[in-house]
Amino acid sequence: KQEVTQIPAALSVPEGENLVLNCSFTDSAIYNLQWFRQDPGKGLTSLLLIQSSQREQTSGRLNASLDKSSGRSTLYIAASQPGDSATYLCAVGTDSWGKLQFGAGTQVVVTP
Amino acid sequence: GAVVSQHPSRVICKSGTSVKIECRSLDFQATTMFWYRQFPKKSLMLMATSNEGSKATYEQGVEKDKFLINHASLTLSTLTVTSAHPEDSSFYICSARVQGGKNIQYFGAGTRLSVL
Repeated sequence: KQEVTQIPAALSVPEGENLVLNCSFTDSAIYNLQWFRQDPGKGLTSLLLIQSSQREQTSGRLNASLDKSSGRSTLYIAASQPGDSATYLCAVGTDSWGKLQFGAGTQVVVTP
Repeated sequence: GAVVSQHPSRVICKSGTSVKIECRSLDFQATTMFWYRQFPKKSLMLMATSNEGSKATYEQGVEKDKFLINHASLTLSTLTVTSAHPEDSSFYICSARVQGGKNIQYFGAGTRLSVL
């Protein structure tokens, strides 16, 4: 069974620093990998989707890499801002129908 | 982007009552919707996959008679928590997969269920 782990569980950085969030998964036979943002008591917002054949995706200040062979993905957020404070979830797509296996998330606080 | 509306956002009920949660895709058709449950500071746990016009597929350990799922149209799926008990208190989130899309899902804002 696919297991997804996110380290660290929580992270606090001063504004302007770059953020590095890690995600690891146990089964390299994935369909895709997604990064989501969740604000307290809210639903999820998709940030980046990486297909299994891709190595990375970029959107603005966000960049996500994928290394299937080592079972790892990293989300980079450049020049962090207080508005980036949220919980970031990594999810592995396990089939073509869209089933996702989520990690427990990394709670990020960016201090002004 | 596409919008998924989930209603209600919060519900408080007495033990033994049933609660219905709706998940609607507002501007796209979704043949597949997913229902998740999230415990505090924990990951989202997939409960079931809901396909329009057919029975839902439940994940191992999820009681299908407890959590009734109906996907009557391409834009609406409902989750009914039957005879709710305090241990059913949780945050429930739905997502809808864009029909014919690149396996992209859009998530509802979630429903906070508190059973007294």
